[in-house]
Amino acid sequence: GQSLEQPSEVTAVEGAIVQINCTYQTSGFYGLSWYQQHDGGAPTFLSYNALDGLEETGRFSSFLSRSDSYGYLLLQELQMKDSASYFCAVKYYGNNRLAFGKGNQVVVIP
Amino acid sequence: KAGVTQTPRYLIKTRGQQVTLSCSPISGHRSVSWYQQTPGQGLQFLFEYFSETQRNKGNFPGRFSGRQFSNSRSEMNVSTLELGDSALYLCASSFTGLSGYEQYFGPGTRLTVT
Repeated sequence: GQSLEQPSEVTAVEGAIVQINCTYQTSGFYGLSWYQQHDGGAPTFLSYNALDGLEETGRFSSFLSRSDSYGYLLLQELQMKDSASYFCAVKYYGNNRLAFGKGNQVVVIP
Repeated sequence: KAGVTQTPRYLIKTRGQQVTLSCSPISGHRSVSWYQQTPGQGLQFLFEYFSETQRNKGNFPGRFSGRQFSNSRSEMNVSTLELGDSALYLCASSFTGLSGYEQYFGPGTRLTVT
């Protein structure tokens, strides 16, 4: 099957580090993407892993292990503005659909 | 460069009616995808258009349809609305939509069916 699993919610304090996991059951995909969505807003692209390993973009890093069917997004030095939902997504070979996980809501508290 | 725009932003319809939503992609982007977002099901892919052709379709009933115009603007239509169609409808554009991974989303149209 083709599905992406994400835990639902995490609360953390400002300055902390949060890791959001994404496990998937699929093969043949281009890579793993991460999107951020604030309440009432549009999803915005954060990061992409085409190859296994770690990609770092400022305070956010993303990791992919194809052999483990697993990836994660690491949010460092959390800020209040990071309170949002975070989605992982894959684009399968042979079509152009992005399949999203259910999302993980991060709540940052002072 | 202007972002993806969607109109209308909010819409209230009654069961049995039909609705048309509009999406204008980023200038130069030729691929437009539509998604339905609900609290229970998350973001689900509806269809994707490229150069006025539907290139891919998700698992939604035939009541959901779309089209794309020569200027890449896209519309989606939902006929015979049901309560379960209440959702945020998002469109996303990308240059080609192929192996590329980054899609740019519009603010969405929030549809409420009563």
